[in-house]
Amino acid sequence: NAGVTQTPKFRVLKTGQSMTLLCAQDMNHEYMYWYRQDPGMGLRLIHYSVGEGTTAKGEVPDGYNVSRLKKQNFLLGLESAAPSQTSVYFCASSYAGSANTEAFFGQGTRLTVV
Amino acid sequence: GESVGLHLPTLSVQEGDNSIINCAYSNSASDYFIWYKQESGKGPQFIIDIRSNMDKRQGQRVTVLLNKTVKHLSLQIAATQPGDSAVYFCAEKPGGYNKLIFGAGTRLAVHP
Repeated sequence: NAGVTQTPKFRVLKTGQSMTLLCAQDMNHEYMYWYRQDPGMGLRLIHYSVGEGTTAKGEVPDGYNVSRLKKQNFLLGLESAAPSQTSVYFCASSYAGSANTEAFFGQGTRLTVV
Repeated sequence: GESVGLHLPTLSVQEGDNSIINCAYSNSASDYFIWYKQESGKGPQFIIDIRSNMDKRQGQRVTVLLNKTVKHLSLQIAATQPGDSAVYFCAEKPGGYNKLIFGAGTRLAVHP
């Protein structure tokens, strides 16, 4: 099993450009998440999804959109990139259930906006 | 894989010593508290969790302690090894929500 796969691994964007980050998981997990990681700030939740066709806002959703058209995929979109969105982005997935605390993370995507 | 050059508090220990990593949390209504480990160039990885109605839980070489009175969580690693060098994050799962909220992290450096 590949687990959680993120593409691309690196990307440089110019301010105002758009892009989509793709996350795919092969563990049949119900829940999927997008986090961003910045120096000294740990991981901050952008958006998450508890099932196909549903999404919800996290701590820092502004400037991002997401879609979960298929259970195994969770897309993160930046419509008009800004330098403040320079970060490392992590996707994660987990099984459903209030007692489930184990999320499986991808390897991350380093995005630089110039 | 990716990691970030995090300006984090660092705990330096000698190989074979015990390590204690601390975390203060804010949400008294969280159901679970969790520890994750992030090695260089990788995504975070689950270590151990503790339910809010417990005060101690042990795993393999790790123990998590929860003090709800002062909102404090700690991770103890016994006989620390070079492979334990990583950034450690505490996280909480707010009651009624299907999401994890992470703290800022602590870097553990193990010296031979």
